[in-house]
Amino acid sequence: DGGITQSPKYLFRKEGQNVTLSCEQNLNHDAMYWYRQDPGQGLRLIYYSQIVNDFQKGDIAEGYSVSREKKESFPLTVTSAQKNPTAFYLCASSMGAGHTDTQYFGPGTRLTVL
Amino acid sequence: GQNIDQPTEMTATEGAIVQINCTYQTSGFNGLFWYQQHAGEAPTFLSYNVLDGLEEKGRFSSFLSRSKGYSYLLLKELQMKDSASYLCAVMDSNYQLIWGAGTKLIIKP
Repeated sequence: DGGITQSPKYLFRKEGQNVTLSCEQNLNHDAMYWYRQDPGQGLRLIYYSQIVNDFQKGDIAEGYSVSREKKESFPLTVTSAQKNPTAFYLCASSMGAGHTDTQYFGPGTRLTVL
Repeated sequence: GQNIDQPTEMTATEGAIVQINCTYQTSGFNGLFWYQQHAGEAPTFLSYNVLDGLEEKGRFSSFLSRSKGYSYLLLKELQMKDSASYLCAVMDSNYQLIWGAGTKLIIKP
């Protein structure tokens, strides 16, 4: 079955700790994205990648980091520098950025900082 | 700045029709998307409009007027499973999606 997987579904972190969220896709998509969703707000773009070994900052990249070493994988690290990390994190992919391609989403990871 | 506006919440009755509006002001326009999102789940793609007019897909239709910066999603023969949030998103001149906050649709029996 083709799709996008994210793990874990729920994640709890203590303040001051870094945490990495996993995102894997087997759709053979070139572009991958990380969004953050907070209640009452639209999705906000954190980082995106159009091709392996390349990625760009989105609107709210501060306190986050990513890597794109493989086409299938785009992990997001939430660092201790992120001031308010509690949120629902969504990973998405599309055939290619720079085109009007539909983005397809993974099931999301809900991160709670204790 | 870029802005997408949609109502926060709407209520409708099972079997009825509901129209969810979306207005936008963006830097350029490369299409408008509608997604459905059930609570705690991922958004799922519903429709894409890039030209003016109505696109119909079964019980769901989406309309676009580029000159007015306006779109709507029309849901017919509402079912309880249609209770969800509906997200409007516009692709700007940089091919980035700008998202509205979503409209929570409540269906009553």
